[in-house]
Amino acid sequence: AQKITQTQPGMFVQEKEAVTLDCTYDTSDPSYGLFWYKQPSSGEMIFLIYQGSYDQQNATEGRYSLNFQKARKSANLVISASQLGDSAMYFCAMREVSTGNQFYFGTGTSLTVIP
Amino acid sequence: GAGVSQSPRYKVAKRGQDVALRCDPISGHVSLFWYQQALGQGPEFLTYFQNEAQLDKSGLPSDRFFAERPEGSVSTLKIQRTQQEDSAVYLCASSRDRSYNQPQHFGDGTRLSIL
Repeated sequence: AQKITQTQPGMFVQEKEAVTLDCTYDTSDPSYGLFWYKQPSSGEMIFLIYQGSYDQQNATEGRYSLNFQKARKSANLVISASQLGDSAMYFCAMREVSTGNQFYFGTGTSLTVIP
Repeated sequence: GAGVSQSPRYKVAKRGQDVALRCDPISGHVSLFWYQQALGQGPEFLTYFQNEAQLDKSGLPSDRFFAERPEGSVSTLKIQRTQQEDSAVYLCASSRDRSYNQPQHFGDGTRLSIL
């Protein structure tokens, strides 16, 4: 079974609007971390936001927020006030205590911001 | 530099040649990871170092792949007798330690093309 599932291969959003990128995960480990990364066409993976499995509050970092629904095992990324520079691939990733060596990545969502 | 540095940025090799990819992690980062990213996919784990010790090499696809980090800082990923299916972007990442709440910081990657 896939550890991380991103069901939206491509998304479009109008500049200045908000957009939600979906991510569901699969783990039996009670201790885990969820991460979102942005990968522009240049190739670098840029860390955006982190949510821990025990965190009571949804994580926020500037225009990025994470809609964490633990019972549903979902960790959707919300980008508010989209900018042209937000156009990129977005990857959801998980790191478990039991397998702390590696990140499990989803297949990514390609976001295009339309002027 | 402040970030993870990888070289070369691009590498073209003929099938059967050996290649070596270099990663210089963030200073002081204990953990170092190598990933392989195929076109249109998320990164796939290859191997993990904690300081100079290679603690997990379960993701290396064959014995043609070899990684080392002899002094616990710079790491080299070597691929012997390259084949066309080795064409991919190879990403290096480092993190402060192996805690599950630590993000991994990625380099720009090496884009390897095997002719």
